[in-house]
Amino acid sequence: EIVLTQSPDFQSVTVKEKVTITCRASQDIGNSLHWYQQKPHQSPKLLIKFASQSFSGVPSRFSGSGSGTDFTLTINGLEAEDGATYYCHQTSSLSSFGGGTKVEIK
Amino acid sequence: EVQLVESGGGLVKPGESLRLSCAASGFTFSAYRMNWVRQAPGKGLEWVSSINAYTENTYYAESLKGRFTISRDNAKRSLYLDISTLRVEDTAVYYCVSATTVSFFDYWGLGTLVTVSS
Repeated sequence: EIVLTQSPDFQSVTVKEKVTITCRASQDIGNSLHWYQQKPHQSPKLLIKFASQSFSGVPSRFSGSGSGTDFTLTINGLEAEDGATYYCHQTSSLSSFGGGTKVEIK
Repeated sequence: EVQLVESGGGLVKPGESLRLSCAASGFTFSAYRMNWVRQAPGKGLEWVSSINAYTENTYYAESLKGRFTISRDNAKRSLYLDISTLRVEDTAVYYCVSATTVSFFDYWGLGTLVTVSS
């Protein structure tokens, strides 16, 4: 089973700040890594697919990078509506999610 | 517009069984891999199971094998999850999710809450 470890667990940030969330896989998963955003009381929404490809309709301030075992989700210029929990997800071998990173707006 | 609507959740006692359903619309259901993901109250996402579009091969999280059965009825555009011998730790919102490229999970339903309690 592939384990995904996200860091940090929690981040408190101000609007317009840059946010970086990392996800480390327990083994090489190539680029089979995807990112989701979940706001309180809502279903998750796909942000980034295959490590760096933006999903349709996702604002350009969201970007992803990485391959192999180390991946990053970056939010350039945080907006108030970005307060949410972010999850990474691998589909290289079956499927598994990271533990999540909660981003709080100060 | 893609729509996934789950149903079948509710309050059940430990040891009982339950069938969750998901009604799909707005896309070619028979051509997509479908998935179930759950989220315990206040916790993160946990992949439960997936079923392929054409082969109907099924896949399960190792920790959940044996009590969970995923199935689909393409004619009814429906996805199912049968859970037997329910445990308190199965309490969660269960999401129906599509995967158009047999990879990333692109569309999610609103979820159905299963509460297991005596």
